[in-house]
Formats: sequence, C-alpha cells, structure tokens
Amino acid sequence: AQSVTQLGSHVSVSEGALVLLRCNYSSSVPPYLFWYVQYPNQGLQLLLKYTSAATLVKGINGFEAEFKKSETSFHLTKPSAHMSDAAEYFCAVTPDYSGTYKYIFGTGTRLKVLA
Amino acid sequence: EAQVTQNPRYLITVTGKKLTVTCSQNMNHEYMSWYRQDPGLGLRQIYYSMNVEVTDKGDVPEGYKVSRKEKRNFPLILESPSPNQTSLYFCASSLGTEGQETQYFGPGTRLLVL
Repeated sequence: AQSVTQLGSHVSVSEGALVLLRCNYSSSVPPYLFWYVQYPNQGLQLLLKYTSAATLVKGINGFEAEFKKSETSFHLTKPSAHMSDAAEYFCAVTPDYSGTYKYIFGTGTRLKVLA
Repeated sequence: EAQVTQNPRYLITVTGKKLTVTCSQNMNHEYMSWYRQDPGLGLRQIYYSMNVEVTDKGDVPEGYKVSRKEKRNFPLILESPSPNQTSLYFCASSLGTEGQETQYFGPGTRLLVL
C-alpha cells in the first residue's frame, strides 16, 4: 500500500538556520508528491509539488524539495529559517498503489523557529 | 474570490444526532475531497469525488456519507455521530482529476461529539 513517512513530529531550528524536513514515500507507480503547510487555525496551502518534471522543485517562501527516486525521498529544505516559517508541514503522495487518485498524507512535522 | 467554504466552522453535538457539514467551491473544480485531521495521525482522506455523481471511499469512510449532486457542493453527512468522530475536518478541491493538481483547502470544521 502507498505510504508516507515524515521523520520527526517536531523539529526546532534557530532563526537563520537551515530547515530540513524529511519525507519518504513508498509507491508502486510513479508518484506525484506534495508539501503543504498549515499555519495555526488555518487550512492547508500548497508549498510545492513534484509532477515528474524537474526533480528539484522550488516553492513559495524560499522552500525547495528534491525528488530522489533511488532513496524514495522528497525532503523539504530552506536555507535560512524565518520566524514566520513556524507551522505544521505535511508531505502527501498520489496515486495510491492501485492507481486511484486518493491522497496519502504523512503525519506532519511541526516546525518551531527559535529566536 | 476563489475559495472553498465550509459550514459550520465549529459544531458540538451529541451521539446519534445526524449532522451535515457543507462544502462549496466557486472554482469549477472537478475533484473534491473530505479529510479528517487528528493529532499524531495527520490528514486522512474520508471520501473523494471525481465529478458529479461520482464518489469513492478514501482510507477512513466508516460512519460517513457524501453526495455530489452539483459540481460546486460536496456535503459530508454523519448519520449517527459517535465520539470517535470528534475531529477537525477539511474539505478540499482541485481543478482536474489527474492527481498532479494542487488541492485547495477550506478553513476547517471542528466537530465535538459528546
């Protein structure tokens, strides 16, 4: 079955430090991969997505992610954390193992940015 | 303004009392979906719809019903709510049904079942 694993439910970084949020997926078909961000008391919004074009994907707010098929990973990075990056981040994949366009989300990583 | 709206935003109810959470989008999107968000479990898909009158189960459909009679609306129905359905619910929509489209999420509905 399709699955998404986000290592680290909570990550803390200092302001200005590198942000690295990990996402590994399992898939029997070529995946589409997404990172969504959720600010407190809000819905989710798209940060970036991989749709089989370039493997290095740039998103909003300075975030980027690299699709590595050999490692089945899609880690999210940002060179320099800002206080406004504090939020919960979700990795998601589709389609599922049967090719149906269900979405599988990871359990989320809450990012804390320390002053 | 392009958006996904959900109503109500907050709801407290009692076990067994039928309720409906409405979802509407004004972007002419084909794909609509319902998720529940629980601490430590992330988002889990309840039901999704590829088009009018086409719905299918997600990963956690038990205890829920949906309908898609119009393209813009996708209500979530809890026929007999139970306390384990206490959760934060999100509706989402996307333009196409090929999987690669961005999903746009509503603001969420926080449900407490006593």
